[in-house]
Amino acid sequence: EAGVTQFPSHSVIEKGQTVTLRCDPISGHDNLYWYRRVMGKEIKFLLHFVKESKQDESGMPNNRFLAERTGGTYSTLKVQPAELEDSGVYFCASSLYRGQGETQYFGPGTRLLVL
Amino acid sequence: DAKTTQPPSMDCAEGRAANLPCNHSTISGNEYVYWYRQIHSQGPQYIIHGLKNNETNEMASLIITEDRKSSTLILPHATLRDTAVYYCIVRVSGYSGGGADGLTFGKGTHLIIQP
Repeated sequence: EAGVTQFPSHSVIEKGQTVTLRCDPISGHDNLYWYRRVMGKEIKFLLHFVKESKQDESGMPNNRFLAERTGGTYSTLKVQPAELEDSGVYFCASSLYRGQGETQYFGPGTRLLVL
Repeated sequence: DAKTTQPPSMDCAEGRAANLPCNHSTISGNEYVYWYRQIHSQGPQYIIHGLKNNETNEMASLIITEDRKSSTLILPHATLRDTAVYYCIVRVSGYSGGGADGLTFGKGTHLIIQP
């Protein structure tokens, strides 16, 4: 069974440009999470989808970030316009259910560098 | 979610058991203890979780004290590939919102396995 996949693995863009990150969760997983680690900081939660609905987006840093999960399958995270402080690694995770003993499985991450 | 405290780094000889401690003195009755690790440049990897009882799987054992205020992750026969940052995380079950849907990563313990 394929794990969580993320595309692209790396992205280098200039300040002010737009970047879209994609996450494909494990097949059948209703829960999808986005996290990020910026330079020198800890991994931080961004938001949580249950199927196509945003369950918790309290970690989204500002309105330059837009996450979607149309159809409840893959998800995209768009940053528009990108700023220097958005550089970091963006991780996606998925889980089968959100309840007792939930296990989140992470993808390899997308490394974003904003110049 | 309750806060956890871990030593910043530890060394262990290859082939020996690695015992990683974690303090979570403010843990609530409905919070699970999770362990994840991040091997350099990869996404976080789930290891094990537990509520009250000790748990064991193919990767590790988790020992939780009776008062649940601390736990120990045990890698029974550490190999060089176990060198990673290990995160102890406590988390409620069920939907919570307010950022609690996500995992709260601290700084973790950098475990270095020595040949």
